[in-house]
Amino acid sequence: QSALTQPASVSGSPGQSITISCTGTSSDLGDYNYVSWYQQHPGKAPKLMIFHVSNRPSGVSSRFSGSKSGNTASLTVSGLQAEDEADYYCGSHTSNTTLPYVFGSGTKVTVL
Amino acid sequence: EVQLLESGGGLVQPGGSLRLSCVASEFSFTYYAMSWVRQAPGKGLEWVSTISSSDGRTYYADSVKGRFTISRDNSKNTLYLQMNSLTAEDTAVYYCAKRPIGLYYFDYWGQGILVTVFS
Repeated sequence: QSALTQPASVSGSPGQSITISCTGTSSDLGDYNYVSWYQQHPGKAPKLMIFHVSNRPSGVSSRFSGSKSGNTASLTVSGLQAEDEADYYCGSHTSNTTLPYVFGSGTKVTVL
Repeated sequence: EVQLLESGGGLVQPGGSLRLSCVASEFSFTYYAMSWVRQAPGKGLEWVSTISSSDGRTYYADSVKGRFTISRDNSKNTLYLQMNSLTAEDTAVYYCAKRPIGLYYFDYWGQGILVTVFS
C-alpha cells in the first residue's frame, strides 16, 4: 500500500485561503473517518493540526479546518499567515493489517 | 506537558545494529499505544512500527519487518526500537509518537533522533 496522494506544493498570499487535498482508497480514507493532518516546520517534529477529519486539538488556530468526501480529505487554511509556511502531511488508519497507518506524500505550503 | 525524549541515534555501518530509546513523561505511559515514525532526509513521513498498550501486540511496516523490534518497559516509561541489519535506506530521523487511547492519530511527538547508515 503506497502513501496517500497530496499535491507537492500549494501557495497563497497572506490573508488568502488555501486547500490541500489528500487522496486515498477505500481501504483508508474511504473506509474510515480517521484522517489527521500534521504541520512540520523545517528541522522540527510534526505537530497535530486536525484529527478524525475535522477536529482541532486544543491550541490549534480555528483558521485550520478539515473535511472529507469519499476517498479524498482536505485541509483548509484560511487567513493565511507567514507562520503557516511549512510542510503538511495527512495520515490515516487503514484496514490493511500489515500497514495499519499510512501518511500522505506531503505538501509544501508557501506564503507568497 | 507531555514529553517524549529519544536517544540512541548516531552513525552505524551497513549491517550494523542500533537501539533507540524514547523516555516518556507527564502522562500514564502504560495506557497508551506508542509508535515510531521516520523521515529520510528531504523525504516524507513513514510509519515504522506500533506497540499496543494492553497486550503488547506489535505491528511493523514491510520495509523493516524481520529487522526491527519494538518493545516497551512500562516500569521505566520507555519505548525502544531495536534496529538490526541496517542499510542506507534506514538513514532517517526517527520520531517516537504517542497515540490517544483507542484513537488513530499521533497527538504528541518527540523531537526526533538521527540515524545515519554509511560505509
